[in-house]
Order: sequence, then C-alpha cells, then structure tokens
Amino acid sequence: EAQVTQNPRYLITVTGKKLTVTCSQNMNHEYMSWYRQDPGLGLRQIYYSMNVEVTDKGDVPEGYKVSRKEKRNFPLILESPSPNQTSLYFCASRQQGPSYNSPLHFGNGTRLTVT
Amino acid sequence: EDQVTQSPEALRLQEGESSSLNCSYTVSGLRGLFWYRQDPGKGPEFLFTLYSAGEEKEKERLKATLTKKESFLHITAPKPEDSATYLCAVLGAAGNKLTFGGGTRVLVKP
Repeated sequence: EAQVTQNPRYLITVTGKKLTVTCSQNMNHEYMSWYRQDPGLGLRQIYYSMNVEVTDKGDVPEGYKVSRKEKRNFPLILESPSPNQTSLYFCASRQQGPSYNSPLHFGNGTRLTVT
Repeated sequence: EDQVTQSPEALRLQEGESSSLNCSYTVSGLRGLFWYRQDPGKGPEFLFTLYSAGEEKEKERLKATLTKKESFLHITAPKPEDSATYLCAVLGAAGNKLTFGGGTRVLVKP
C-alpha cells in the first residue's frame, strides 16, 4: 500500500531533550515536506526537500532540523524542544514532475507535547 | 506572499441539506488549487486539484469549482460520513510549498 509513515504517533517530552520524528514513504517520491498544524493557524510548512541531499526552509523553520540522506526518509529533528513546539506534525510527499503540481500525500501525524 | 482564506469556519448541516464552502486566494502564478479532507486524528486526504479558472471536478457528492479569485466546494445531499474538516490549498509559482487555508469544519447530522 502506498503510504507515508510517521513515528511515533504520540510523544510527550520535556524542554531541552533532543528528539527525532521519523518519516518514510514508499512511493519513490522526490519531494518531501514537514508541516505543523495548530488551532487557528492551520498547516504551516517547516522544511521541504526537493530531492536527496537538497533541503530548504519553509515558513516556520526555527528550532527544527531535517536531513535527506535517502530518498524514502525525511526525519524531523528537534535538538532542544520548547513548549511552543507543542503541535501536530505532518510529513508529506509527492512526485516532483515538471509542473510541481502533483498532490501531496500526508502521513497520519505525530502529536508532540513539550512540557 | 500567497494567502488562502476559507469560510465559513464551521458548518452544521442536516443530512440531505446541500451547501457550499468558499476558498478565497491570492497567489503569484497559480500552479494548482487543492482540496483535502481531514478526519480527526488523521492526515489530510487528497480530493481534487484544479488548475485553471472555469475548471470543475466531481467526486460522489462533492463538486469543486474554480475562478480567478476563489474556489467553491459544493456538497450535494450530504450524509453523516461527509462530516470532516475540508482544507483548501494553493501552489504558487515557486512550486515548493502548499499554502493552506484554516479549513471548514463540516458536521452533517442525521
């Protein structure tokens, strides 16, 4: 089954304790992206990657890191989490294509709470 | 900067009561306008892509239309299983991100 898989689904941590949220897709998509979803603010892009070893900042990159060493994986790293990073996180992927307008496929989300 | 505004924020419908959701947008060089459905605790699920003004797409009880400034998602004779949050997003000229609206929460009561 074609899918984007995120782990863990739920995570509670304390301020300053480094964590990684994993994301893997089995559709051979070039493009991958991370979004966070907050009440009243909607979905906002954190980072994206057009292909292996190519990453760039989205609208809200502060406090986050990513890496793209393999095509299928795009982990999100919080080196020193803070309470304002409490949110629902989504990983997504799509075919790159010449027009960039293939639909994004989303994972089922990771709910992160930082105390 | 690309912007998307959805209205209303929430919509309560009786089963069979048709209605429309609005998505107003400003974007530099529209590559596509996307509609997604999101159920509680799940990621957004793709519904439609519209590429140019005048285009329409249909899927079961849903029909999406597009003008140069807005898109509508029409729900005809909705059923309780159509209850969800519907998200609209635009892909601009740079092609590197979708800009999402805040969504419309739809509740269909039997």
